[in-house]
Amino acid sequence: KNEVEQSPQNLTAQEGEFITINCSYSVGISALHWLQQHPGGGIVSLFMLSSGKKKHGRLIATINIQEKHSSLHITASHPRDSAVYICAVKETSGSRLTFGEGTQLTVNP
Amino acid sequence: EPEVTQTPSHQVTQMGQEVILRCVPISNHLYFYWYRQILGQKVEFLVSFYNNEISEKSEIFDDQFSVERPDGSNFTLKIRSTKLEDSAMYFCASRNRGGNQPQHFGDGTRLSIL
Repeated sequence: KNEVEQSPQNLTAQEGEFITINCSYSVGISALHWLQQHPGGGIVSLFMLSSGKKKHGRLIATINIQEKHSSLHITASHPRDSAVYICAVKETSGSRLTFGEGTQLTVNP
Repeated sequence: EPEVTQTPSHQVTQMGQEVILRCVPISNHLYFYWYRQILGQKVEFLVSFYNNEISEKSEIFDDQFSVERPDGSNFTLKIRSTKLEDSAMYFCASRNRGGNQPQHFGDGTRLSIL
């Protein structure tokens, strides 16, 4: 079993739709990252969370430490949001990140 | 905004050759990382480096791999004798001091072994 599980694996949406990507993890963590990977391969950090909720523009990330679950929401989705969204956790011991498989999001105009 | 830069963006090498991937972390960062992503798979941790020594490494990081910070700005990953299965995207990351500082990633080097 993977330590970090994301769902769905693939998501297709129409422009303007509200999108939710989920991440569950099975280890003790000190922080959780949401990352975006574009087709060229580069990785951009969107959020780092250790509790509660963060918002940046149309993106919202939440985390429930007790339930070991995080969600990434995109409001008013746009075709430029099309990318792979990756959840990665920093375990309580050490500083390495452990990554999920990623969610491929495609937003159609 | 300061960035992590990686060179080259794409490296093609014959199997058995040595390859060095280069990274320039953000200047005031103290912790450095290498990750790799085989095509179609998830990103995997290779090694972390702090205070001029390896602080943690994964089972992937065997004797064929080494890291170095030769001059206070560059951070390099060397693969001594490349294998076909080393073909992957290699990402460098850095972060600042402090328990929960975010890691900043470079754009990656695509390594293709022929």
